[in-house]
Amino acid sequence: KAGVTQTPRYLIKTRGQQVTLSCSPISGHRSVSWYQQTPGQGLQFLFEYFSETQRNKGNFPGRFSGRQFSNSRSEMNVSTLELGDSALYLCASSTQGGGNTGELFFGEGSRLTVL
Amino acid sequence: GENVEQHPSTLSVQEGDSAVIKCTYSDSASNYFPWYKQELGKRPQLIIDIRSNVGEKKDQRIAVTLNKTAKHFSLHITETQPEDSAVYFCAASDQAGTALIFGKGTTLSVSS
Repeated sequence: KAGVTQTPRYLIKTRGQQVTLSCSPISGHRSVSWYQQTPGQGLQFLFEYFSETQRNKGNFPGRFSGRQFSNSRSEMNVSTLELGDSALYLCASSTQGGGNTGELFFGEGSRLTVL
Repeated sequence: GENVEQHPSTLSVQEGDSAVIKCTYSDSASNYFPWYKQELGKRPQLIIDIRSNVGEKKDQRIAVTLNKTAKHFSLHITETQPEDSAVYFCAASDQAGTALIFGKGTTLSVSS
């Protein structure tokens, strides 16, 4: 069974630009969660989608948004990029949602650098 | 919302020693507490988890304990080996049960 796939793996943007990251979950998984990972801050929860509905959102500004498609693939978008948005963005899929029924399966992440 | 505090942030032990990482959580409604291990350059992976109706769970050299009254849980690794060197994250489910809130991580270094 294929794992969680994230694209692109690496990208460089400049301040003010916007970026879209993609995540393909494990086949059969309907929940997709997104996390921002930075040194010293650990894994910060962005949002969770289940069957195309955002069920939960972390404490991030409105510049961070996401969506989920009918095939469970998910995208997240960051508009008006700031230097502080430089991070590894991790996507994780699960059958029902990590908070409830068990294991999150993480992708390798998309490393965003904002110059 | 849920807040998870994790200590220590770094931990260095000699091979064969034990390592203990501690976490506290704020939301008494949390009922699921997993631990993830992230090796350098790799993705986080689940190593052990515990639910609120269980006080302790063990899997070979690793164990997790949970004290719901005090709202804290701990990871215990015995007979540490160099391959245990990694960043360990604790997490707690949020009240809605749809998100895992992670601690900031503990970098464990095991020297031989």
